[in-house]
Amino acid sequence: QKEVEQDPGPLSVPEGAIVSLNCTYSNSAFQYFMWYRQYSRKGPELLMYTYSSGNKEDGRFTAQVDKSSKYISLFIRDSQPSDSATYLCAIHGSSNTGKLIFGQGTTLQVKP
Amino acid sequence: DAEITQSPRHKITETGRQVTLACHQTWNHNNMFWYRQDLGHGLRLIHYSYGVHDTNKGEVSDGYSVSRSNTEDLPLTLESAASSQTSVYFCASSDPGRGAGNEQFFGPGTRLTVL
Repeated sequence: QKEVEQDPGPLSVPEGAIVSLNCTYSNSAFQYFMWYRQYSRKGPELLMYTYSSGNKEDGRFTAQVDKSSKYISLFIRDSQPSDSATYLCAIHGSSNTGKLIFGQGTTLQVKP
Repeated sequence: DAEITQSPRHKITETGRQVTLACHQTWNHNNMFWYRQDLGHGLRLIHYSYGVHDTNKGEVSDGYSVSRSNTEDLPLTLESAASSQTSVYFCASSDPGRGAGNEQFFGPGTRLTVL
């Protein structure tokens, strides 16, 4: 079993839709949860991060962590064509190694 | 502005040749990482370093090596390139005392083709 699982998609939605992207993880000790966004032929960039359980909101984006289910989500409201990208979840363990474990990435296309 | 750069951006080489991919960061970060990205596999860690003269193997290190002689650079060497090493390679750096905790900053990537 992989430590982090993410549905690779692809996911295609119409402009304005609510998008839900999800990852599951196996180790209950994981504490830092991140979402990276990667545009085509670019390097990933940090979009949001959360520590432990709960929600974090930033504009149209909401990151949610459910540690009891080992499940993390990224919600995009009022999706725009500019949101078309690959979204990768990343998890950092409890030890301060600096290493991140990445999901496979979900490719999202928002159609005008 | 501080940044992380990779060179070359594109490289075509032949099986059996030695190839070195460069990574340079100007943030003075201690941690540096090399990943490869392939369809269906996401980002997989090849090697990483926590500082000068420190190197560690990641999950897919066979056929690759790194060396860290200064803080700014972590070159990745493919000792004898194989077609299975055709991929997009990303370098990243981080410093636990900066950014969002363990945020890694990525370079633009190098697209390597081994014929």
